[in-house]
Amino acid sequence: GENVEQHPSTLSVQEGDSAVIKCTYSDSASNYFPWYKQELGKRPQLIIDIRSNVGEKKDQRIAVTLNKTAKHFSLHITETQPEDSAVYFCAVWTGGGNKLTFGTGTQLKVEL
Amino acid sequence: GAVVSQHPSRVICKSGTSVKIECRSLDFQATTMFWYRQFPKQSLMLMATSNEGSKATYEQGVEKDKFLINHASLTLSTLTVTSAHPEDSSFYICSERTSGTDTQYFGPGTRLTVL
Repeated sequence: GENVEQHPSTLSVQEGDSAVIKCTYSDSASNYFPWYKQELGKRPQLIIDIRSNVGEKKDQRIAVTLNKTAKHFSLHITETQPEDSAVYFCAVWTGGGNKLTFGTGTQLKVEL
Repeated sequence: GAVVSQHPSRVICKSGTSVKIECRSLDFQATTMFWYRQFPKQSLMLMATSNEGSKATYEQGVEKDKFLINHASLTLSTLTVTSAHPEDSSFYICSERTSGTDTQYFGPGTRLTVL
């Protein structure tokens, strides 16, 4: 089955700096790559996603890049703010498996 | 995005009892619903996939007789934890996906505590 690795597990940045979280996957047939933000005790919220026919997607301060050859994708958050502090999960959808497989999560802390 | 509700938000029960959790799609018909379990400071682990009108597909290691899933309509799926034990205490979250799309939207989750 699909194997998704996510790094780092914790990330601490100063307000205004950029944060980058990286995920790798194993199944070359994977075709959809969402990122979720989860605050403590709350539901995961979709913040951005990318499909396998696109290399990069941006939405204001958030961007995702995908390298299909290397089988990795990354979340980039610029001009970080304290409200960006949360756990971020990458996920991979494999059509054959018909399910999302989640990474292990990154605890992002934005310090003032 | 889609609106998914889940009920109850929190439940505390005694060991050996059964608990039912409801997941509702409020704004469109969800052909597929997914049930996840999340232990503290861990990732989401898929338990089962349910399609309306058919039997759920369980992930390896998830006991289908313990975690009963029913998806009787396009807007409602239920998860029943039977004979709950303290190790079943967790955050249970459903999500929905419509046919032809990849995007999944999550319910608010149910915090189950088994004493």
